[in-house]
Amino acid sequence: SYILTQPPSLSVAPGETASITCGGNNIGGDSVHWYQQKPGQAPVLLISYDSDRPSGIPERFSGSKSGNTATLIINRVEAGDEADYSCQVWDPSSDDYVFGSGTWVTVL
Amino acid sequence: EVHLVESGGDLVQPGGSLRLSCVGSGFTFGTYFMHWVRRAPGKGLEWVSRIHSDGSRKTYADSVKGRFTTSRDNAQNTLYLQMHSLRAEDTAVYFCSRGDPFEYWGHGTLVTVSS
Repeated sequence: SYILTQPPSLSVAPGETASITCGGNNIGGDSVHWYQQKPGQAPVLLISYDSDRPSGIPERFSGSKSGNTATLIINRVEAGDEADYSCQVWDPSSDDYVFGSGTWVTVL
Repeated sequence: EVHLVESGGDLVQPGGSLRLSCVGSGFTFGTYFMHWVRRAPGKGLEWVSRIHSDGSRKTYADSVKGRFTTSRDNAQNTLYLQMHSLRAEDTAVYFCSRGDPFEYWGHGTLVTVSS
């Protein structure tokens, strides 16, 4: 089955850059989407199709992919960015949607 | 503005059943794929099921296949998740979501399976 690997946690100081990775064997050929979820709130689509930013998402958030690793970058981190960040792909071989285990970002 | 509102979550005993609902507004409900996604305590997001816009095709995660059934009533702008043979590991907040990728989400409804 398709497995997406993310670091469980990350700490970053305000104003610095956070880089969250998502690794998967077939990720190079699949579109990766990223979601942010704060406690008690609904998830929010941050980045779609590897690097597209939906309307209303700040430019501080960006996505990229190289080989079997996708990366979410948060520039100029703010206290309000403290949240869980999850990557997600659709696996065409099984017609399943797969999420990474999520990365909790702590703003110091 | 797109709104999705889930309801129906409750405390249920292992082996019990529950039906969740999700009402959509602010968009043409009958033209979109709809999904159920859940997050168990301390765990990551887990996709549960998808239903095509006209309800003709449904797919499920292996963890719920044979126990959960998704359906929709496009005239009522409502998505359903019928859950049977519930287990402790089904305890989670259940979200409905629109589209692919998951562009819009409701705020979720809590299902607790415990004796």
